[in-house]
Amino acid sequence: RKEVEQDPGPFNVPEGATVAFNCTYSNSASQSFFWYRQDCRKEPKLLMSVYSSGNEDGRFTAQLNRASQYISLLIRDSKLSDSATYLCVVYGGSQGNLIFGKGTKLSVKP
Amino acid sequence: NAGVTQTPKFRVLKTGQSMTLLCAQDMNHEYMYWYRQDPGMGLRLIHYSVGEGTTAKGEVPDGYNVSRLKKQNFLLGLESAAPSQTSVYFCASSYAFNEQFFGPGTRLTVL
Repeated sequence: RKEVEQDPGPFNVPEGATVAFNCTYSNSASQSFFWYRQDCRKEPKLLMSVYSSGNEDGRFTAQLNRASQYISLLIRDSKLSDSATYLCVVYGGSQGNLIFGKGTKLSVKP
Repeated sequence: NAGVTQTPKFRVLKTGQSMTLLCAQDMNHEYMYWYRQDPGMGLRLIHYSVGEGTTAKGEVPDGYNVSRLKKQNFLLGLESAAPSQTSVYFCASSYAFNEQFFGPGTRLTVL
């Protein structure tokens, strides 16, 4: 089983839609969780950290389920500018570093 | 603050040539990292450093060397470039093993 797995997509959604991304991780000792956003031909940037109690930042909601080793990202009222690749990132992998998923591509259409 | 900068932005090498990629950060971060990103492979850690004078191997270290002589700089060297090293290289830094700040990347092509 790969350390961090994501559905690669692409997810093609209309503006205003709600979309959810899922991510699973294999190391039950993982300690910290993040969602990064990467625009085409750009560097990854932190979107939000994921806390055990779940957290929300505007239209974005992140959830963590430690029992199922599962992380989710919900985007409400999608905007054209949300089009990007979303990377699930876990700290506490086998090398004690951040482990990046391969990313889920989102395309928001008018 | 410039954040994390990388030099050069683009480079084309011939097989067997050598080069050094420079990463600099002005955030006083202890930890620095070099990744490569290939289509369908995601980001893979090459080497990292937890402080000046220290380096450690990541997931894909073969064919690369690194040095951290100054806290703000992290150099990635390719001694004898191979076509398999054609990739986008990202440098990142962090205060600890948490949020990482990335540079804009270096696009390397090895012919």
